[in-house]
Amino acid sequence: TQLLEQSPQFLSIQEGENLTVYCNSSSVFSSLQWYRQEPGEGPVLLVTVVTGGEVKKLKRLTFQFGDARKDSSLHITAAQPGDTGLYLCAGARIQGAQKLVFGQGTRLTINP
Amino acid sequence: DSGVTQTPKHLITATGQRVTLRCSPRSGDLSVYWYQQSLDQGLQFLIQYYNGEERAKGNILERFSAQQFPDLHSELNLSSLELGDSALYFCASSLSGGPPQETQYFGPGTRLLVL
Repeated sequence: TQLLEQSPQFLSIQEGENLTVYCNSSSVFSSLQWYRQEPGEGPVLLVTVVTGGEVKKLKRLTFQFGDARKDSSLHITAAQPGDTGLYLCAGARIQGAQKLVFGQGTRLTINP
Repeated sequence: DSGVTQTPKHLITATGQRVTLRCSPRSGDLSVYWYQQSLDQGLQFLIQYYNGEERAKGNILERFSAQQFPDLHSELNLSSLELGDSALYFCASSLSGGPPQETQYFGPGTRLLVL
């Protein structure tokens, strides 16, 4: 059972378009993180959101944590070919020792 | 460059064999995590160590074991390898391994292929 469901799994769009990636769960998380992974490399942390309803902006990327801390979204404005990669959301459990639960990832391709 | 190093980068072995993957955390980080990434399962947490002690356990098989040494480097041992163990294995490190939102820095991974 996948605790974090990401959608879409694959997304291919043209440069300049906007897109949103979703990360949903029936579980509550103490925080949620978004990572970007490029081929042959490990995931790199983009942002951590910890408060329900929190919105964080990183240049053209906007991250939102749901009010109930069960879901999150990543919105990219005016996508660039350099945004191409695998985007992973990861939730930190409230109970138990710290461990991250990852979604399956969204493979994003931005075509020039 | 995250500062986390992993060796080897690639490993090809046969079913039934045993391999050891090595990880050196970022300077100053006390906690090390191991993850497995496969096409069908995604990125799965295996185990976490903090300052030499096991702190959390995830979906780690009994055939797999890990340890963290006094110099803080860690090794993941995989034994009785099966075809399904073929995957990318990542090590990550963080400062204390305490707060859930603490940043984990991932290494470049070891790609294991079991034939």
